[in-house]
Amino acid sequence: EIVMTQSPGTLSVSPGERVTLSCRASQSVTSNLAWYQQKPGQAPRLLIHGASTRATGIPARFSGSGYGTEFTLTISSLQSEDCAVYYCQQCQKWPYTFGQGSRLEIK
Amino acid sequence: QVQLVQSGSELKKPGASVKVSCKPSGYTFSTYAMNWVRQAPGQGLEWMGWINTNTGNPTYAQGFTGRFVFSLDTSVNTTYMHISNLRAEDTAVYYCARDIGWGPGDYWGQGTLVTVSS
Repeated sequence: EIVMTQSPGTLSVSPGERVTLSCRASQSVTSNLAWYQQKPGQAPRLLIHGASTRATGIPARFSGSGYGTEFTLTISSLQSEDCAVYYCQQCQKWPYTFGQGSRLEIK
Repeated sequence: QVQLVQSGSELKKPGASVKVSCKPSGYTFSTYAMNWVRQAPGQGLEWMGWINTNTGNPTYAQGFTGRFVFSLDTSVNTTYMHISNLRAEDTAVYYCARDIGWGPGDYWGQGTLVTVSS
């Protein structure tokens, strides 16, 4: 199966700062990469699919980039409500594996 | 609007079975496949597999074959996830998630906590 590795594990950032989260695949997933946000006690929320397409209703401060094995989720200006765990998922090949998550904390 | 409503929390003994339901609304049921995702306490997300809501054909990830069964009841537009011979390590929140069309889940149920304890 394709192994997804996210970094960093935990990140503490001040409001207004730019945030970059990384996701690496063990083999190419072309652009079949999604990002989710999960807040405590809530279901995950789809942010990005197709590596760079924002899902419906997602604010423009969230953007995704990358192709093949290296991907990035960027939050252009961190808001307090962005405190969450972020997961990437490859949808290139079954099983559609997730990364282990990156926890984003607000300073 | 699109909603996925799952059945409530379950407390089961080891060896028992459980059936979790997921009832979508706000769209045509058979148009979108349904994914199932597990999240053990304090852990990350694990993709269990999916079911074709047009044909009823399920696909299971390795580790979710044998004791796990995905099914449909098209008369009530509901999908189900059944686990038999429950073990303590099955304790988790189970989510259904509508497949956007090429894998990612764009709408998620609220999650069902299954606790297995003697």
